[in-house]
Amino acid sequence: SQQGEEDPQALSIQEGENATMNCSYKTSINNLQWYRQNSGRGLVHLILIRSNEREKHSGRLRVTLDTSKKSSSLLITASRAADTASYFCATDSVNDYKLSFGAGTTVTVRA
Amino acid sequence: EAGVTQFPSHSVIEKGQTVTLRCDPISGHDNLYWYRRVMGKEIKFLLHFVKESKQDESGMPNNRFLAERTGGTYSTLKVQPAELEDSGVYFCASSHRGWGGEQYFGPGTRLTVT
Repeated sequence: SQQGEEDPQALSIQEGENATMNCSYKTSINNLQWYRQNSGRGLVHLILIRSNEREKHSGRLRVTLDTSKKSSSLLITASRAADTASYFCATDSVNDYKLSFGAGTTVTVRA
Repeated sequence: EAGVTQFPSHSVIEKGQTVTLRCDPISGHDNLYWYRRVMGKEIKFLLHFVKESKQDESGMPNNRFLAERTGGTYSTLKVQPAELEDSGVYFCASSHRGWGGEQYFGPGTRLTVT
């Protein structure tokens, strides 16, 4: 069954605005990773947050993790047209490296 | 450092035919994974190699799928015979030895079975 679920399914914002998407999961995790997929392209790794971390930053990206609520959020600040893509969260477990993906959030940044 | 590469980028075959997908992981990555995304569904795990050994093949849908990783370098995924429901995008990923950290994905192979 699906481990991660992203919310919202789709998001449309104006260039320069912030975009926030959430991911919920069901079972205990070791790591949670966020990926971006531009139309027709491969998955690009954005950021990994470990289960003992609460927040992580990378450039314009900010990821939070709340293991008590089994949820994570990805914030993209000052969005650009190039941020238009689908965003996926993926989790793995201790001693189980396979990733479980959510269905993704499609983000459209309008110029 | 070269990323994960996959070949072909797109394959169109008829039902009943055979197709072989190839993945070249990042050099030095012992872990290699296959995933796929069929139309409208989430990305699903197929199997995991550690070097040339199959660590976990719990996601392989049936015995029409055969994955190999001879010599612990590149991997192939053969579908024989292909069925319509096999259509989708097949991703390969790799990660460092013994560390359940970042998995780096290739561009995927889009398989269309007609």
